[in-house]
Amino acid sequence: DQQVKQNSPSLSVQEGRISILNCDYTNSMFDYFLWYKKYPAEGPTFLISISSIKDKNEDGRFTVFLNKSAKHLSLHIVPSQPGDSAVYFCAALTSYDKVIFGPGTSLSVIP
Amino acid sequence: NAGVTQTPKFQVLKTGQSMTLQCAQDMNHEYMSWYRQDPGMGLRLIHYSVGAGITDQGEVPNGYNVSRSTTEDFPLRLLSAAPSQTSVYFCASSYQDPDSSGNTIYFGEGSWLTVV
Repeated sequence: DQQVKQNSPSLSVQEGRISILNCDYTNSMFDYFLWYKKYPAEGPTFLISISSIKDKNEDGRFTVFLNKSAKHLSLHIVPSQPGDSAVYFCAALTSYDKVIFGPGTSLSVIP
Repeated sequence: NAGVTQTPKFQVLKTGQSMTLQCAQDMNHEYMSWYRQDPGMGLRLIHYSVGAGITDQGEVPNGYNVSRSTTEDFPLRLLSAAPSQTSVYFCASSYQDPDSSGNTIYFGEGSWLTVV
């Protein structure tokens, strides 16, 4: 049973609009979350993270929101650009620095 | 700056063969790990290491061995390859960020393995 879920396998957004990628988790003990971006034939690259002591973290066009009571986080990309087209993985940090990844959401930004 | 280097990038194996995926990092990171990526499954942890001489099992360790004799290297061995091990493998290293409660993971570029 997946502990980190990304229920949308894919998402298409017009260039310039907002992209919202959602992630749900089941373990209330998770207290640190990360988003990774992956292009084809490359390794994932770190995008943004959030600690459970916060409910929002911003980095340029990227903002992550955390709702602990709902065990839900979301990644907002504003404005979306064609270069943002990639697979986005939500991940939760467990003990001993083990990270559990969600299945990913493939984002397509249409020019 | 090399970061995390994985070799080989592509490999085809016959069922029952053994092989080693090499991983090296030059960032002096304590933590290293191996993941496999399969469609619809995301990245799943195979084995990890919190320092030289210390390894432990992740979520899907069966059929794989690891060792960590140095800080830099963390090879993944397939003992007797099976078609179910056809996957993309990612090595990663990470460090504890003193400014946050978590860490940042750096991934290699991946190794595409096909077992026939």
